[in-house]
Amino acid sequence: DADVTQTPRNRITKTGKRIMLECSQTKGHDRMYWYRQDPGLGLRLIYYSFDVKDINKGEISDGYSVSRQAQAKFSLSLESAIPNQTALYFCATSDPSGGRQETQYFGPGTRLLVL
Amino acid sequence: GESVGLHLPTLSVQEGDNSIINCAYSNSASDYFIWYKQESGKGPQFIIDIRSNMDKRQGQRVTVLLNKTVKHLSLQIAATQPGDSAVYFCAGGTGRRALTFGSGTRLQVQP
Repeated sequence: DADVTQTPRNRITKTGKRIMLECSQTKGHDRMYWYRQDPGLGLRLIYYSFDVKDINKGEISDGYSVSRQAQAKFSLSLESAIPNQTALYFCATSDPSGGRQETQYFGPGTRLLVL
Repeated sequence: GESVGLHLPTLSVQEGDNSIINCAYSNSASDYFIWYKQESGKGPQFIIDIRSNMDKRQGQRVTVLLNKTVKHLSLQIAATQPGDSAVYFCAGGTGRRALTFGSGTRLQVQP
C-alpha cells in the first residue's frame, strides 16, 4: 500500500551493528505496528503504538526498540543485530474509528539479512 | 493466551473451482476476525472481516464463515483465479489489543 512506506526495502548488515528501519504513513492513522515474518511462520508482533505517547511491547520485543517520532513515523531499531534477526519486517497502521474493526494497512516490507 | 492457527499450510485448486481456507482460534473473547492476502514480495492486504456477533459475511467472490461453537472460521473464494494465488492469513482481535495472526495457508491455483 503506497500510503505506508518503509525504508530501506533491503538491508544487509553484520552481527553487532545497530540498524534502524523506518516507516512512514500518510493515512493519518494513530496506530502503528512493527512485525517480523519468518519462512513458514505468520506475522509476529514486535512493538505497537496506539498514539505518539503510547508504546507497547509485542510478542517478540527482545533485541528491538522503537521510536514514535510523530503520528506519521514509527521506526524500529536493532541495537546489536544478530543472525536470527534475519527476517522480513513489516510496518502497519490502523484506525479503529473508521468502523472496520482493526483493519491494518501494511507497508511493502523490509528484507533484512544479518551476517 | 490467544492463538490463531491454520489447518493446512498449502492448498492447491484448479482454476474455476471454489477454495476453502480454514482457521482455528483459541480466544473465545475475540471481537472480530480479519482475512489477509499476501502476494509474493508484498505486504498483507485486507480481504474481508467479520465481527464475532456474525456467522457469515460476503464480499466480492469471498465469503467468511464464523463458527464460534468450535472456534473456527473459513474463507471461501468462489471461481478461484490465478491471481488468487497467495498466502492467506487469518487474524483475531480483541478491543485494544493488537491483532494475533495465524501462520498462513499458501493457495496455489492450477491452470
